[in-house]
Amino acid sequence: DADVTQTPRNRITKTGKRIMLECSQTKGHDRMYWYRQDPGLGLRLIYYSFDVKDINKGEISDGYSVSRQAQAKFSLSLESAIPNQTALYFCATSDPVGTTTDTQYFGPGTRLTVL
Amino acid sequence: GDSVTQMEGPVTLSEEAFLTINCTYTATGYPSLFWYVQYPGEGLQLLLKATKADDKGSNKGFEATYRKETTSFHLEKGSVQVSDSAVYFCALSPNGSGNTGKLIFGQGTTLQVKP
Repeated sequence: DADVTQTPRNRITKTGKRIMLECSQTKGHDRMYWYRQDPGLGLRLIYYSFDVKDINKGEISDGYSVSRQAQAKFSLSLESAIPNQTALYFCATSDPVGTTTDTQYFGPGTRLTVL
Repeated sequence: GDSVTQMEGPVTLSEEAFLTINCTYTATGYPSLFWYVQYPGEGLQLLLKATKADDKGSNKGFEATYRKETTSFHLEKGSVQVSDSAVYFCALSPNGSGNTGKLIFGQGTTLQVKP
């Protein structure tokens, strides 16, 4: 079974709808991240969380919110979806405890289309 | 701010050709450097990493050397295979007291290897 799972894998929705993307991990990691991928732009960080009580904005957090329900679960919400939020969304985890660098482990991605 | 720049793609090679994908970075302090690979329809996987100057990361025949003097981390492989066709991302993780574990990605380079 995959260590980092994302649901749904694909979603088509309409402008103005509320959408939630879910991420679960079995790696036991404290840190979790949400990125979006756009062609030619690489991955950009939306939000990140170091533990259940610690949530931080990334470089492109406007229009998004997150919830860290447990160590293993980190959800991303689009309160009112708009077409320029059409992208591939990735969840990632890492565990830097006792290390000076982080290796991040990525889920398979959710392809979101906003019409 | 910190940034990563990769060579424009797509890169198209014949099987057994030599591969170089250029990556340069801008960062304060001493970041860690990474190459991630994304196979079609999948999430990103760590390919290799280097944590200090002159370190060489290697995996699956790929290599990259952390060059602080030229702020570069170019990816190389002596003989590519069709199965290496993927998108390759260069990334950095800022180190030091401000380390948050965030990754800063380049825009990605698509590699297509033809039989």
